[in-house]
Amino acid sequence: DGGITQSPKYLFRKEGQNVTLSCEQNLNHDAMYWYRQDPGQGLRLIYYSQIVNDFQKGDIAEGYSVSREKKESFPLTVTSAQKNPTAFYLCASSPRWPPGVPQHFGDGTRLSIL
Amino acid sequence: KNQVEQSPQSLIILEGKNCTLQCNYTVSPFSNLRWYKQDTGRGPVSLTIMTFSENTKSNGRYTATLDADTKQSSLHITASQLSDSASYICVVSVNSGGYQKVTFGTGTKLQVIP
Repeated sequence: DGGITQSPKYLFRKEGQNVTLSCEQNLNHDAMYWYRQDPGQGLRLIYYSQIVNDFQKGDIAEGYSVSREKKESFPLTVTSAQKNPTAFYLCASSPRWPPGVPQHFGDGTRLSIL
Repeated sequence: KNQVEQSPQSLIILEGKNCTLQCNYTVSPFSNLRWYKQDTGRGPVSLTIMTFSENTKSNGRYTATLDADTKQSSLHITASQLSDSASYICVVSVNSGGYQKVTFGTGTKLQVIP
C-alpha cells in the first residue's frame, strides 16, 4: 500500500545539535509538506515543496531547513537556531492539484530536548 | 485569535451515543473544508471534504455539514464506537494567488467510554 514513512518515531536533541527527520513517500505525489504540532495549537506549516529541487518557506521556517533532491524524499533538519524544537513533526504529501492542500500524512516524529 | 475555532475542546461520551463537533471559521475566500481524524501519536486521516456548493457529506458513521453563509461546519458521529476516540481537526482552505492556503483548527479531543 502507498503511504508516507517518517523516521525515527522519537528523537532527542542535545543543546547546539542539528537533527534530521526523514520523510519518504511512495504515492507518486508532487507536493510535500512539513508541519509542526504543539499542544493546544493547530498544525503550522514549516516548509513545502511543489516539485523536485524547489521548496518554499511556510509560516514558521526559522531554525529549520529542507531539501528536495528526489520526488520521494523531503528531509527536515532542525538546526541549533531553533530554540524551542520540542514538538510533534508531521510530513504530508499531495498531488500537484489542488496546490497547497495536504492529503496524506505520515505518523510523525516526536522531537524532545535532552 | 485562531481563524478556525473548534468546540468543544474535549468531549466524553458513552459508547453507542451520538455526538456533534463544531467548527467556525473566519478565513476567506473559502475554497474547501476538510475534517480529519487523528489518533494519538499518529498522523491525521481525512474523513470528508466539502466545497462551497456542498452542504453535507457522509463517510460511514461520520456526517459533515457546511453552512458557507454563516461560516460554520459540524461533524456528526452516529452510534459512537471506542475506536472513535481521537482528535478531530477541521481544516479550511482559502484561495491565495493560485495556491491554497490551509488553516488548521486546534481540534476536539473525543473520548468514547464503555
